[in-house]
Amino acid sequence: NAGVTQTPKFRILKIGQSMTLQCTQDMNHNYMYWYRQDPGMGLKLIYYSVGAGITDKGEVPNGYNVSRSTTEDFPLRLELAAPSQTSVYFCASSYSSQGEAFFGQGTRLTVV
Amino acid sequence: GQNIDQPTEMTATEGAIVQINCTYQTSGFNGLFWYQQHAGEAPTFLSYNVLDGLEEKGRFSSFLSRSKGYSYLLLKELQMKDSASYLCAALDSNYQLIWGAGTKLIIKP
Repeated sequence: NAGVTQTPKFRILKIGQSMTLQCTQDMNHNYMYWYRQDPGMGLKLIYYSVGAGITDKGEVPNGYNVSRSTTEDFPLRLELAAPSQTSVYFCASSYSSQGEAFFGQGTRLTVV
Repeated sequence: GQNIDQPTEMTATEGAIVQINCTYQTSGFNGLFWYQQHAGEAPTFLSYNVLDGLEEKGRFSSFLSRSKGYSYLLLKELQMKDSASYLCAALDSNYQLIWGAGTKLIIKP
């Protein structure tokens, strides 16, 4: 079982560049999430989705965008990358809001 | 505001028992999660408590007191592979997870 697949694993961006982090899950989960994790900090929710066609902002959405055209895919778009977006990004999915979340392997992003 | 507090780092000896505490303040409460995260890896689910009391799952147990806004994760018969960060997260009234910064557990032989 693939679970949650997240790409790329590593990326270096220059200030002002854009990129898309890909996330796909094969567990037919309705709930999907994007988090960022900074050293010494808890996971911060960027965006989440409760089903195809439905997305909503989390705690730290500025500078990011998402879409959810299918149940499986939940890409995260970074526009005009800034050094403050240097972080580790995790995609996750769950069957319900009170259910176990399954995480992708993470993307280590550096903006220089 | 919403807040999760847990110790930054703990050290324990192989074969011993360790208790990692977590206190939470959230707007509403719909349960508490514990996740394990090895360095450089993704978090993996350990437990979910929504009712008061102790839930045991092999060497790991999790306790919740809703009235005190308190939970702990108990790890028994510690093994070297238990060296990891342990993340506490509370589900608020909007069913959003509020995450603690994690407790780094160091196991010594």
